[in-house]
Amino acid sequence: DTGVSQNPRHKITKRGQNVTFRCDPISEHNRLYWYRQTLGQGPEFLTYFQNEAQLEKSRLLSDRFSAERPKGSFSTLEIQRTEQGDSAMYLCASSPGLVGTGELFFGEGSRLTVL
Amino acid sequence: AQSVAQPEDQVNVAEGNPLTVKCTYSVSGNPYLFWYVQYPNRGLQFLLKYITGDNLVKGSYGFEAEFNKSQTSFHLKKPSALVSDSALYFCAVRDEGNTPLVFGKGTRLSVIA
Repeated sequence: DTGVSQNPRHKITKRGQNVTFRCDPISEHNRLYWYRQTLGQGPEFLTYFQNEAQLEKSRLLSDRFSAERPKGSFSTLEIQRTEQGDSAMYLCASSPGLVGTGELFFGEGSRLTVL
Repeated sequence: AQSVAQPEDQVNVAEGNPLTVKCTYSVSGNPYLFWYVQYPNRGLQFLLKYITGDNLVKGSYGFEAEFNKSQTSFHLKKPSALVSDSALYFCAVRDEGNTPLVFGKGTRLSVIA
């Protein structure tokens, strides 16, 4: 399978714990995006990378959130001291090239439930 | 800043009838417009896009969309709906720069046999 892969698919944690999600993009895709989707809403942009550089972060990305893409390949999204409001589906997407038409290829998401 | 409005939370249509899912947008400059579909417990799948050129864009699974600059709309259409088209549909927009895609809230399409 050469699509975008996300792990774990489901994570249940207690409030205050830290969680980390991993995303493996499509090979050779330069851009990698993180979005968050809650019930009844469309995906909301969190952050994106061009290779290993994090180019933009949304105001939704509080200090408890950190994302990395250390070698320009896979990425991790860590949430520290989780809160119940963090419960959501976290979506990763990738796209090819430096200048593209913006089409994103999404993974199946990582669902977080904070108890 | 870019924005997308999908005015209908739910659209119901009988199988075999034409369907339309509405989308309007706001963007500075020329828009790049997209439609995605999401089936239960699955990721978003790309359907079609408008970048430039012909206002009528054809995409996957028999879907098409019409770009209307004066009405700032990009409605999704299909001549004959299938039960298997039942899903959540998202419209998205970005500007000509390298800004991230902005999504609408989504419209749930229900095709009834």
